[in-house]
Formats: sequence, structure tokens, C-alpha cells
Amino acid sequence: DVKVTQSSRYLVKRTGEKVFLECVQDMDHENMFWYRQDPGLGLRLIYFSYDVKMKEKGDIPEGYSVSREKKERFSLILESASTNQTSMYLCASSSTGTDTQYFGPGTRLTVL
Amino acid sequence: AQSVTQLDSQVPVFEEAPVELRCNYSSSVSVYLFWYVQYPNQGLQLLLKYLSGSTLVKGINGFEAEFNKSQTSFHLRKPSVHISDTAEYFCAVSESPMRGYNKLIFGAGTRLAVHP
Repeated sequence: DVKVTQSSRYLVKRTGEKVFLECVQDMDHENMFWYRQDPGLGLRLIYFSYDVKMKEKGDIPEGYSVSREKKERFSLILESASTNQTSMYLCASSSTGTDTQYFGPGTRLTVL
Repeated sequence: AQSVTQLDSQVPVFEEAPVELRCNYSSSVSVYLFWYVQYPNQGLQLLLKYLSGSTLVKGINGFEAEFNKSQTSFHLRKPSVHISDTAEYFCAVSESPMRGYNKLIFGAGTRLAVHP
């Protein structure tokens, strides 16, 4: 089975802090994605990566950056956390040429 | 641009009753369609998908969905629900993969609450 893990289930940070969210997948997938999930808005794509060191902006990249130094790991970075970044963050991965994305359990981030 | 509209934000239903969760999409090109389920405190899990071929798609846990191109709909159905089906359901659309990956556009979600 595909396994996508995220470093924390719950995270509380203060405004202005630099925040790292880590995602690891164990199926050698080429593609990895970061979404945020908010009530009434569904999932919105922040960034994705189709190869090591390659990244593309999604629909809401402002205030975020990403890093993919190894194939299995995709990090989401909040350079200076703000209260409007309080949300559930979901990571997903998929294999090139396939259509299904596999999701991690999510990290619920609260910024105070 | 693609978009997905889930017509009901919440659907309450009694156990063993049938249920339909509605999804409409807009796109100018051929699409792939998906339903994902999110159980409380978990990530998303694929229920079923439509890529091509038969318009009636069967998924896990007794769910099925019908692709209707003329009405641009992909409604999810189950003939008899269980308490364990209580979850949030997301409809998603993507264009045929380009460069080997597909970007999903999600609807806002429908919260299904099954009552005894």
C-alpha cells in the first residue's frame, strides 16, 4: 500500500514564525502536492512538484514556498506565519502517467 | 477554467436509506472525474474515478457514480447507507494528464451524516 506520512498531526505556531511541514512518501512517486483544506472551500492546491528540485505554483502560492531535495520528501515552508494560514494542510503523491493521488493524514496548523 | 460545484454542503440521511451526492463540473476539454472520501481526522481516500468508457462507475464500499456528459454531472450514489459512511465527500476533476501529472480541482465538499 502507498503510504504518505506528514511530520505532525497538530501544530501551533506564533505569528511571524517560520514553519516547516514535512511530507514523505514511500512509493517512489514522481509527483507530490501540497493542499490546504478550509471549511466550505474544499482543497486548494498550493504547490506541486513533478521531479526532484522541480516545483510549480498552484492556485494559492502566496505566503508559501516548497523544497524537494529528495524524491520521497516534499516540504512546505511558511516563511512568516500569519493567522490567515491557520488551516488543515494535506500532502499527496502520484506516479507519472497515473491519475490517482494518495493523501497523507493532514497537519492541522494553528497560528496564534 | 475548470470548476467543480457540489450542490449540497450537508446531507443528513437515516441508516439503510439511499443517498445521492450531487456534483457538477465545468470544463472545455475532456476530463477525468473523481470522488474522494475523508473520514474524521483522516486524509482523503479514493472512492472511484471515471477516465473513459462506461459511464457508470463502481467504487469501494458499495458506492457508484454516473458520468453524464450532456449535463456535466458526476453524481455519487449508494442504495443503502451505513453509520460508517458518515464522512465528508469531495468531487474532483482534472484534465487528461499533461507532462505525466494531473492537477485536481476539488469541490467544496459534502458532509454526509448518517443517523440511526
